[in-house]
Amino acid sequence: QQKVQQSPESLSVPEGGMASFNCTSSDRNFQYFWWYRQHSGEGPKALMSIFSDGDKKEGRFTAHLNKASLHVSLHIRDSQPSDSALYFCAATGDSNYQLIWGSGTKLIIKP
Amino acid sequence: EAAVTQSPRNKVAVTGGKVTLSCNQTNNHNNMYWYRQDTGHGLRLIHYSYGAGSTEKGDIPDGYKASRPSQENFSLILELATPSQTSVYFCASGGGAQAETLYFGSGTRLTVL
Repeated sequence: QQKVQQSPESLSVPEGGMASFNCTSSDRNFQYFWWYRQHSGEGPKALMSIFSDGDKKEGRFTAHLNKASLHVSLHIRDSQPSDSALYFCAATGDSNYQLIWGSGTKLIIKP
Repeated sequence: EAAVTQSPRNKVAVTGGKVTLSCNQTNNHNNMYWYRQDTGHGLRLIHYSYGAGSTEKGDIPDGYKASRPSQENFSLILELATPSQTSVYFCASGGGAQAETLYFGSGTRLTVL
C-alpha cells in the first residue's frame, strides 16, 4: 500500500486562478515533507519543504501541514502557464531519511 | 545551484544487452540515488549510495546493479536488459540525515527493444 497518496491525479486551472494539491500519508513517523515540481522533459525540482505544523508561504506558493491528520497541501495563487507541470509530494521520517513519493498530480494551466 | 549530469540522454538497447547509465554530481553530496519513472507509478527508488564504495538496494533493485567509484560518480547497470526496463531514469544527489533537498539530473530515456 502506497504510504503517500496524492490527489487529484490531474487538475486544470485557468490562468490567474488558484491550484490546490493534497497529500495524505499513512505513516505517523513522517516528519518532513516536500513538494517537487517536474516540467516535461526535465528532472523534478524542489519547490518547498515544510517540517512544522501550519502554513509556509514562498511567493505565490503556500504549503500547509497538519501532522495530526497526516495531511499536507500546496496552493498556487495567480497560476501562470509556466506552472503547468507534474507536482509530487514526498515525505520521510525514518532514520535513513529516504523519501517516499506520491504518484504526482498533473497541473494544466489554461490560457 | 547544485548540478547533476546524466548520460546518455537517450538510449536504445536490445533485449539481453548490457546498459550502463552514468551520473555525475559536483555538489559534494554524500548521498546519491537512482530512480525510475513510469506513468502511474511516480518515482521508484532502485539503488542508492551513502558515499564512494557504498551501494544499497532501494525498493525495486531486481535486474539492476549500481556502482559508486567516487564521490562524484554513480552508475546504474543493467546486465541483461529486458523490455520491462524501458523507462525514464533519474539520478539525484542530496538528502541524508539532515533531511536535505534532492537535486535531480535531466533523466535518461531508455528503450529496450
